[in-house]
Amino acid sequence: DGGITQSPKYLFRKEGQNVTLSCEQNLNHDAMYWYRQDPGQGLRLIYYSQIVNDFQKGDIAEGYSVSREKKESFPLTVTSAQKNPTAFYLCASRYRRVTGDGRLEAFFGQGTRLTVV
Amino acid sequence: AQSVTQPDIHITVSEGASLELRCNYSYGATPYLFWYVQSPGQGLQLLLKYFSGDTLVQGIKGFEAEFKRSQSSFNLRKPSVHWSDAAEYFCAVEMTGSARQLTFGSGTQLTVLP
Repeated sequence: DGGITQSPKYLFRKEGQNVTLSCEQNLNHDAMYWYRQDPGQGLRLIYYSQIVNDFQKGDIAEGYSVSREKKESFPLTVTSAQKNPTAFYLCASRYRRVTGDGRLEAFFGQGTRLTVV
Repeated sequence: AQSVTQPDIHITVSEGASLELRCNYSYGATPYLFWYVQSPGQGLQLLLKYFSGDTLVQGIKGFEAEFKRSQSSFNLRKPSVHWSDAAEYFCAVEMTGSARQLTFGSGTQLTVLP
C-alpha cells in the first residue's frame, strides 16, 4: 500500500547535537513538507519542496535544514542552532496541482516526537 | 497573507448530539479548503475537501462541511457524534493555484461525553 513513513516515532536529543528525522513516501507525490506542531499552535511550516533538488523555507526554518535528493525522501535535520526543538514533527506529501480526478490533499506521516534531554 | 481561524479551542458534546466546528478564513479569492482530524500522537487524516462546485461537501465518518463565500466560512458538521470522534480537528486553506503550503488553524479539541 502507498503511504508516507516517518521514523523514528520517538527521538531524544542532547543539547548541542544535530538529529535527523526521516520521511519517505511511495505515493509518487512531487511536493513534500515538514511541519512542527506545538500545543495550541496548530501546524507551522518549516520547509517544503516541490521537486527534487529544490526546497524553500517555510515560516519557521531557522535552526533546521533539509535535502531532497530523491523524490521519495525528504529528511529534516534539527541542528544545535534550534533553541527549542522539543515538539511533534509531521511530514506530508501531495501532488503539486489538482489532478484530473480532484486530488490535491496532503497525506501525513504518523509523526516524530522529539525531546531534548 | 491568508489566515485561518478556529474560534473554539475546546468543545464538549454528549454522544449522539450534533456537532458544528467553526472555521473562518481570510483570503481575497476562494481558496481550497480542507478539514483534517488528528488522534493523539498520530498524523492527520483528511475528512473532506472543497475545491469548487457544490458548497456542501460530504466526507468520511459521516462528516460534512458547508462553504459559505459571503461569510468566509467552512464549518464542519456531524448530526450524531460517536465516542470515537473525540480528537483534534484542523481546518486548512490554500490559495488556489499555489503549491506552497496549507495554512492551518490552531485546531479544535473535541471531547465526547458518554
